[in-house]
Amino acid sequence: AQSVAQPEDQVNVAEGNPLTVKCTYSVSGNPYLFWYVQYPNRGLQFLLKYITGDNLVKGSYGFEAEFNKSQTSFHLKKPSALVSDSALYFCAVRDNNAGNMLTFGGGTRLMVKP
Amino acid sequence: GAGVSQSPSNKVTEKGKDVELRCDPISGHTALYWYRQSLGQGLEFLIYFQGNSAPDKSGLPSDRFSAERTGGSVSTLTIQRTQQEDSAVYLCASSLDRPPTDTQYFGPGTRLTVL
Repeated sequence: AQSVAQPEDQVNVAEGNPLTVKCTYSVSGNPYLFWYVQYPNRGLQFLLKYITGDNLVKGSYGFEAEFNKSQTSFHLKKPSALVSDSALYFCAVRDNNAGNMLTFGGGTRLMVKP
Repeated sequence: GAGVSQSPSNKVTEKGKDVELRCDPISGHTALYWYRQSLGQGLEFLIYFQGNSAPDKSGLPSDRFSAERTGGSVSTLTIQRTQQEDSAVYLCASSLDRPPTDTQYFGPGTRLTVL
């Protein structure tokens, strides 16, 4: 069975500082990894995904994520946080052996303070 | 272009009533998914429609839940005899159905409250 862990319920960072939101995964087959962001009373908005190739994936709004196979991690990063980045972030995995649904982590609330 | 749309945005119902939630996927997307987001359970997969194939119903929590997709486009999720534990945000997503690499795009959700 596939699973995703986001070990931090909340991450606090000052505006302008770099941010990291952590994600680790477990799959039986090849992992396909996704990050989504959710603003209040909104649906999930796609940020980026890792399929294959370069371990550093660049996505929307200046976000990037680094795939690390040995550590089974896919941490979300941004060099300089904005107050408007404050939202709920979800990591998700799809396992090519386990159907087409996404399995989500519990979410991490990012708070960026001015 | 137009994204995934869902209606209603909010639904309040009484325990024991039936409800129907609607999803309009992105035009041209052949795959459609339903997920549920609740405080206690996080984001859970419910059901997946892939083209004309039989749907993957493996995530439906009970036989009170059902879904259909008419004409390969609009989908309706039906919850019969609603219970308070059904209160959640129901999210619909669609994709081009090129698993496992395609991206699922989500609608704004329907917030269901069962009194």
